[in-house]
Amino acid sequence: EPEVTQTPSHQVTQMGQEVILRCVPISNHLYFYWYRQILGQKVEFLVSFYNNEISEKSEIFDDQFSVERPDGSNFTLKIRSTKLEDSAMYFCASRLQGVWDEQFFGPGTRLTVL
Amino acid sequence: DAKTTQPNSMESNEEEPVHLPCNHSTISGTDYIHWYRQLPSQGPEYVIHGLTSNVNNRMASLAIAEDRKSSTLILHRATLRDAAVYYCISLRAGSYQLTFGKGTKLSVIP
Repeated sequence: EPEVTQTPSHQVTQMGQEVILRCVPISNHLYFYWYRQILGQKVEFLVSFYNNEISEKSEIFDDQFSVERPDGSNFTLKIRSTKLEDSAMYFCASRLQGVWDEQFFGPGTRLTVL
Repeated sequence: DAKTTQPNSMESNEEEPVHLPCNHSTISGTDYIHWYRQLPSQGPEYVIHGLTSNVNNRMASLAIAEDRKSSTLILHRATLRDAAVYYCISLRAGSYQLTFGKGTKLSVIP
């Protein structure tokens, strides 16, 4: 069964450093998402991406964040200058096409900012 | 998206049915009701969704009240693997994002 994959599973970085989180969505899916979950808290939407552009973003997704689909398979989330409060699990998700199609989530990347 | 209200936690015995309730009294006519679950240390996983009619799939059933102000996710025979946080989400037409609440933490007792 096809699945969303994410690398790395755990990333440790120093405050102020740039990080790139990588995701490989399911191959024929057209919509891509990033969510995050701070330990013990709710899953929060960050951004959705379709047709090579951002379709929706939350207030969390400020100028420090960017997304890119550099080739036909990868979908990346970049945090330009990490802060302590960026420590969280980051989940990538993809959706086939229809607005009511389910989102398939990856296993997540745990980001720890020291 | 309409606000949803779920109990914080529920318990079930293994191999018994589980009914997980959700209130969404402000739902609009075109909002779909989606259920996702999150097993420990994993990403969310789609369970089921519906609009007006009751829905069945291999994982669960979804019973939607006639006035659409509430719904119930039904797991027909709970297994230990079903222990997870279950999220009821009202998805507004034209919106792409899922808005997760705190969900219901389901514990399954062997």
